[in-house]
Amino acid sequence: DQQVKQNSPSLSVQEGRISILNCDYTNSMFDYFLWYKKYPAEGPTFLISISSIKDKNEDGRFTVFLNKSAKHLSLHIVPSQPGDSAVYFCAASDNTNAGKSTFGDGTTLTVKP
Amino acid sequence: NAGVMQNPRHLVRRRGQEARLRCSPMKGHSHVYWYRQLPEEGLKFMVYLQKENIIDESGMPKERFSAEFPKEGPSILRIQQVVRGDSAAYFCASSPSRVGVHEQYFGPGTRLTVT
Repeated sequence: DQQVKQNSPSLSVQEGRISILNCDYTNSMFDYFLWYKKYPAEGPTFLISISSIKDKNEDGRFTVFLNKSAKHLSLHIVPSQPGDSAVYFCAASDNTNAGKSTFGDGTTLTVKP
Repeated sequence: NAGVMQNPRHLVRRRGQEARLRCSPMKGHSHVYWYRQLPEEGLKFMVYLQKENIIDESGMPKERFSAEFPKEGPSILRIQQVVRGDSAAYFCASSPSRVGVHEQYFGPGTRLTVT
């Protein structure tokens, strides 16, 4: 049973437009959500996170939205740039399992110039 | 401040051999996590360790796999009698011990190929 799901394996957008990456979760114990970005042949790097007590967190071009009732979060990138092309992983954790994160399978974002 | 170090970056083993993967966490980090990424799949949690302690090994296969994080030296993920299905990228991550810190810092990974 996959507790964190990213239903879109890939997404292609034009440079300058908005990229929206989606993530759904099933475990109501999750109270912290993170997005990681991964380039080929490299490890994931932390991008942005959100606590369950918030519904939005913004950092520059990146905004994460959390809808707890729908158990859904999304990452918005605006404006998208070719350098944003990477695999994006959604992850979730809970304080009772402090540190352990459950990852989705990732969405490959391609930003076309 | 050096990041998470993993070595080797690439490892080729024949079926039946042993594989040893090493991970040095970031300076000041006392929590280490190991993940496996099979081709075309996401990151799967394997084990979570603190110095000299295994905290959660719920993602580790019951046989052939073991992990340690000794008081001194790197964390080691050991795979005995490797099989072709063990071919994957193995990522190590670390985090500080501060309560409420959930972000993990990943190493570049070790790509294991079993021939």
